[in-house]
Amino acid sequence: GAGVSQSPRYKVAKRGQDVALRCDPISGHVSLFWYQQALGQGPEFLTYFQNEAQLDKSGLPSDRFFAERPEGSVSTLKIQRTQQEDSAVYLCASSSGLGSYEQYFGPGTRLTVT
Amino acid sequence: KNEVEQSPQNLTAQEGEFITINCSYSVGISALHWLQQHPGGGIVSLFMLSSGKKKHGRLIATINIQEKHSSLHITASHPRDSAVYICAAFSSNTGKLIFGQGTTLQVKP
Repeated sequence: GAGVSQSPRYKVAKRGQDVALRCDPISGHVSLFWYQQALGQGPEFLTYFQNEAQLDKSGLPSDRFFAERPEGSVSTLKIQRTQQEDSAVYLCASSSGLGSYEQYFGPGTRLTVT
Repeated sequence: KNEVEQSPQNLTAQEGEFITINCSYSVGISALHWLQQHPGGGIVSLFMLSSGKKKHGRLIATINIQEKHSSLHITASHPRDSAVYICAAFSSNTGKLIFGQGTTLQVKP
């Protein structure tokens, strides 16, 4: 596809369930970012990959959050034992990484924890 | 105090009005994004700029590096411009995007 895609678009989980959110970046993009956007707020940085290497995970709110990008393309954000405060839109963005600051965003996954 | 602040938070305009959304930042930046987010939709990058001014259709973005301030202008606003507009600064220190809280714009016919 031409853009960044994310799946699922919507996810409802019961508190305590594990969820996995997928991001397909633009083909060939080296850099991949995950952001969390709470209702009515701007996105906040979670983690960053350059190829398969997770270079920065300082934004992950707890050790229940885990992200991987094993082959340097598709990435998965996993949240274990979901809590209500995890309800948010999770955005993925990719960048060519070749000295470019421009990031291309996916449609997001809206997670609701009940 | 947030490192990137936008004003106003909410804005209602009549169709045809000239709109300005402001963004101030307190960190050193390499570039600044203006982004548009429709309800239920993803984020679209409108502009990325590091100096001066850019124009695309009815949208104009300006940045003053010395004053650490950027503005997004919409001329001849239309109801389809209704969306959340987000300013995001690319921190030269951390290499991360720092987002403003967004400005919710509603343009009434």
